[in-house]
Amino acid sequence: EAGVAQSPRYKIIEKRQSVAFWCNPISGHATLYWYQQILGQGPKLLIQFQNNGVVDDSQLPKDRFSAERLKGVDSTLKIQPAKLEDSAVYLCASSTNSRETQYFGPGTRLLVL
Amino acid sequence: GIQVEQSPPDLILQEGANSTLRCNFSDSVNNLQWFHQNPWGQLINLFYIPSGTKQNGRLSATTVATERYSLLYISSSQTTDSGVYFCAVGGVSNDYKLSFGAGTTVTVRA
Repeated sequence: EAGVAQSPRYKIIEKRQSVAFWCNPISGHATLYWYQQILGQGPKLLIQFQNNGVVDDSQLPKDRFSAERLKGVDSTLKIQPAKLEDSAVYLCASSTNSRETQYFGPGTRLLVL
Repeated sequence: GIQVEQSPPDLILQEGANSTLRCNFSDSVNNLQWFHQNPWGQLINLFYIPSGTKQNGRLSATTVATERYSLLYISSSQTTDSGVYFCAVGGVSNDYKLSFGAGTTVTVRA
């Protein structure tokens, strides 16, 4: 069974530019999560989807971050405009439902200069 | 939200040694997961263990939900066990979202 796929793996941009990340969850997983992991810290949940609906986005900086999960499968996370403090690893995870084991993708390392 | 404390923050082991990592949490939970983040950044789920005891090879975990802690045991450690171990918990007080601890960095020396 294929794992969670993410792309790109690395991205370097200048501040105020925009960037988008893509995630393809494990087939059949209804719940999809985006986490932000800053160096030296544990992951922090940004947004959680159940199928194509948002369950929780309370920690998503909505003035610059947006996410969608059209058709309840793939998801994209966008940052526009990026700030220096957005430099982090963006992790996508999926699970069969919100109280089951979460499986993580390899992450996208973002550096904002 | 739920507070998660992991100890120790850093652990250096000689290959073959045993160790115990601890996770304390501040409220009742119905979701607790242990993860290993390898040196390349990949997070691997080790256990889903909101209560009870589980074992997987050289790793085992115990959660005592009534006393709000969980333990991860590593036996006969190998260099491939190096990385950061995270405990993540979810419960009513944080709408069942997983809140991660700061992690325990384990270095196993040959």
